[in-house]
Amino acid sequence: QSALTQPASVSGSPGQSITISCTGISSDVGVYNFVSWYQQHPGKAPKLIIYDVTNRPSGISSRFSGSKSGNTASLTISGLQTEDEADYYCNSYATNSNPYVFGTGTKVTVL
Amino acid sequence: EVQLEQSGAEVKKAGESLKISCKGSGYGFYGYWIAWVRQTPGKGLEWMGIIYPDDSATKYSPSFQGQVTISADKSINTAYLQWTSLKASDSAMYYCARYGGPTLEAVRFDYWGQGTLITVSS
Repeated sequence: QSALTQPASVSGSPGQSITISCTGISSDVGVYNFVSWYQQHPGKAPKLIIYDVTNRPSGISSRFSGSKSGNTASLTISGLQTEDEADYYCNSYATNSNPYVFGTGTKVTVL
Repeated sequence: EVQLEQSGAEVKKAGESLKISCKGSGYGFYGYWIAWVRQTPGKGLEWMGIIYPDDSATKYSPSFQGQVTISADKSINTAYLQWTSLKASDSAMYYCARYGGPTLEAVRFDYWGQGTLITVSS
């Protein structure tokens, strides 16, 4: 099972919105609405910020939102802030022998 | 407060064995699946396997099946990841994470340990 494809890097200025894509296939991202997103700051563990494509855990800013169309899921960060500078990973359920596949990761830089 | 506390960094030689741990607190440890995730600079995050502490039911990624063993002791709220013969390629950061989804399809790793860095020299 190959990793889901994400852009290596995305950048934006404070206050702008950016979108990170996560492309899979019909047996993972496209099969159910079970995609989650994680934020990872340097030297820290990943942190869940989106689950079930669009839902935010308690305490996660509404500036983070998720969506999905076909085999591609997306994470949008609105009103970009300096503390959003981190790595972001998507994660999907997959209907094959490896049920949990992660994305390749995207480094977000706030200019 | 939900917490997962992992054992400390290890430096080992190729061929040695190793068992690292992940102790949960602040919730009913026995009732949530615990996953192990590997992170390397080259391959990013990789799901290795998952265990249900209440009955020790375990599932492995095909990439890690036979390479590692996942176990748990619910009496002390601790999950384990072990190797019988380490390789240099096992050098990585290893995270445990609580699986918070209502079903095994609703993927959601909602709490993570701080990570255990394993360095294996050849």
